Amino acid sequence: AQSVTQLGSHVSVSEGALVLLRCNYSSSVPPYLFWYVQYPNQGLQLLLKYTTGATLVKGINGFEAEFKKSETSFHLTKPSAHMSDAAEYFCAVLKAAGNKLTFGGGTRVLVKP
Amino acid sequence: GAVVSQHPSWVICKSGTSVKIECRSLDFQATTMFWYRQFPKQSLMLMATSNEGSKATYEQGVEKDKFLINHASLTLSTLTVTSAHPEDSSFYICSARDTITDTQYFGPGTRLTVL
Repeated sequence: AQSVTQLGSHVSVSEGALVLLRCNYSSSVPPYLFWYVQYPNQGLQLLLKYTTGATLVKGINGFEAEFKKSETSFHLTKPSAHMSDAAEYFCAVLKAAGNKLTFGGGTRVLVKP
Repeated sequence: GAVVSQHPSWVICKSGTSVKIECRSLDFQATTMFWYRQFPKQSLMLMATSNEGSKATYEQGVEKDKFLINHASLTLSTLTVTSAHPEDSSFYICSARDTITDTQYFGPGTRLTVL
């Protein structure tokens, strides 16, 4: 069985500060990893994904994430937060060549001016 | 690319009526689509996997006779909430799986309110 843990259900950052959202997973096989963002009353938008190859993945809106197998982590970062980054962020795991996504509990980001 | 639409975006209905929600992949074919339910301030809960041309696979605890799923084409899946009750009020989100990239793309969601 696989699971996803997002540390911190809420994160508050100042505009211009580093955004760091933590995600740890457990999987018996090498997983595919995803970060999605959800704005209020909207669906999920794909930020980035890791499947194979380079472990540092760059996504949209200036976000990036690094797959660290030894730490079973896939933390999401952005060097400088914008007000528009205020949203809910979900980490998800897909077993390689599998079907179902397993989501973390989500982290709500608040950006202070 | 990889756009998924849902219709309607919101619906209000009376208790006892049925509501149909459509999910379409606009620029790719999806043999597999997924239906999720999301309660306020919570993560997504997978309800069922919709397979084109075959029966849907429901998650444990989800009533298949209440949540009817039809995946009649490679670009359309529908979820029908039958005999809706206020406890069915929720945000329903679909996704479509792009088999080439093994990535799920999500629709914008449908907010259902049952009075």
